[in-house]
Amino acid sequence: EAQLVESGGGLVQPGGSLRLSCAASAFTFSNSWMTWVRQAPGKGLEWVATITPDGSEKLYLDSVKGRFSISRDNAKNSLYLQMNSLRAEDTAVYYCASQFSSSSHYWGQGALVTVSS
Amino acid sequence: IQMTQSPSAMSASVGDRVTITCRASQGIHNYLAWFQQKPGKVPKRLIYGVSNLEGGVPSRFSGSGSGTEFTLTISSLQPEDFATYYCLQHHGDTLAFGGGTKVEMK
Repeated sequence: EAQLVESGGGLVQPGGSLRLSCAASAFTFSNSWMTWVRQAPGKGLEWVATITPDGSEKLYLDSVKGRFSISRDNAKNSLYLQMNSLRAEDTAVYYCASQFSSSSHYWGQGALVTVSS
Repeated sequence: IQMTQSPSAMSASVGDRVTITCRASQGIHNYLAWFQQKPGKVPKRLIYGVSNLEGGVPSRFSGSGSGTEFTLTISSLQPEDFATYYCLQHHGDTLAFGGGTKVEMK
């Protein structure tokens, strides 16, 4: 069964950094567009970043441009989100997700990121 | 491209026909999906490519629309359908979710 598993969430102080990972299994990760989506407590879903299958193109939400960086390692079937200069408003559950437009669509269980002093 | 979803909340009864609309700020071709989320759970895709039903999703769910206006319809609301619904456009240089529609029991 296809699976995405996030890791790396936790508590970080404002201005700090955190790196999320998403491990994929049982589907062709190297052919998949991959996306990070977040959900602040009690709020709706918010798209954060997307990366093409070969990693050549990266798309970002305006409010995270210059602070967050999405990347992937197809040899390791892994997706990453490097988050720098974190702010309180970045507090959310972060989900990785694959391929919104095809049958190979999956979500991870989410990783909680809390930015607080 | 921004997505305006309406209504933001609604009260309905079992058996009701429910319609949720998303309007895009510009044309998004068929890059439109619908998701259902229950409290504390991971979002679940219901519809992709405007009108393609996800495997295992009941046929009471349907999607339609084109250009900039899209609709999710639940033909006969069931108890397990009380949840929050989101549209997502994934066309162009940015993606965007609608603000969500919370379907509550009347």
